[in-house]
Amino acid sequence: GAVVSQHPSWVICKSGTSVKIECRSLDFQATTMFWYRQFPKQSLMLMATSNEGSKATYEQGVEKDKFLINHASLTLSTLTVTSAHPEDSSFYICSAREPGRNYNSPLHFGNGTRLTVT
Amino acid sequence: GNSVTQMEGPVTLSEEAFLTINCTYTATGYPSLFWYVQYPGEGLQLLLKATKADDKGSNKGFEATYRKETTSFHLEKGSVQVSDSAVYFCALSDPVGANSKLTFGKGITLSVRP
Repeated sequence: GAVVSQHPSWVICKSGTSVKIECRSLDFQATTMFWYRQFPKQSLMLMATSNEGSKATYEQGVEKDKFLINHASLTLSTLTVTSAHPEDSSFYICSAREPGRNYNSPLHFGNGTRLTVT
Repeated sequence: GNSVTQMEGPVTLSEEAFLTINCTYTATGYPSLFWYVQYPGEGLQLLLKATKADDKGSNKGFEATYRKETTSFHLEKGSVQVSDSAVYFCALSDPVGANSKLTFGKGITLSVRP
């Protein structure tokens, strides 16, 4: 089945530094990937939709300059948390839908990245 | 806008007990409905789905029926196992709008005791 790989699975960084998270579709090409953020005991909140070869679409309230998304190829999207602060500590999850599939089809999720900013 | 409401948790059951997790939704169009499961230390996995009214999704002994009249998609299992301990998310995908993103409920943690 379709597999989405996310790396790293966890990362600890110091306040003020930047962290890059990679999301890869391993056996399919994904023109669109979705980035979610999950707070403890809360739901997944969609941060942005990553589109291959074009700018990402951010949800209301998400800072574009803070969370940089790049979707340079059909199998790779990256999320860079710039100038990270402790409040950015969270669980970040990417997902993708197989090409040609519509809203009836499920998303395939990566295993997530636990970011801790000290 | 779209929204998904799940019952408050956590839920703790004994093995072989009956499980019901309530989920209701609000959507502008005719969404597809999903249940995802997140086992400890893992990513989200699709558990089951239903794409139109009165459809029943089923997998691993779990079932949910798409009820348009009550805008609900409650998850049930007749006899839970310890291995069912996980976080369960109800979600909808609305055909209106580009990219068909998923809207999730808050999730509910299920713990099953031996």
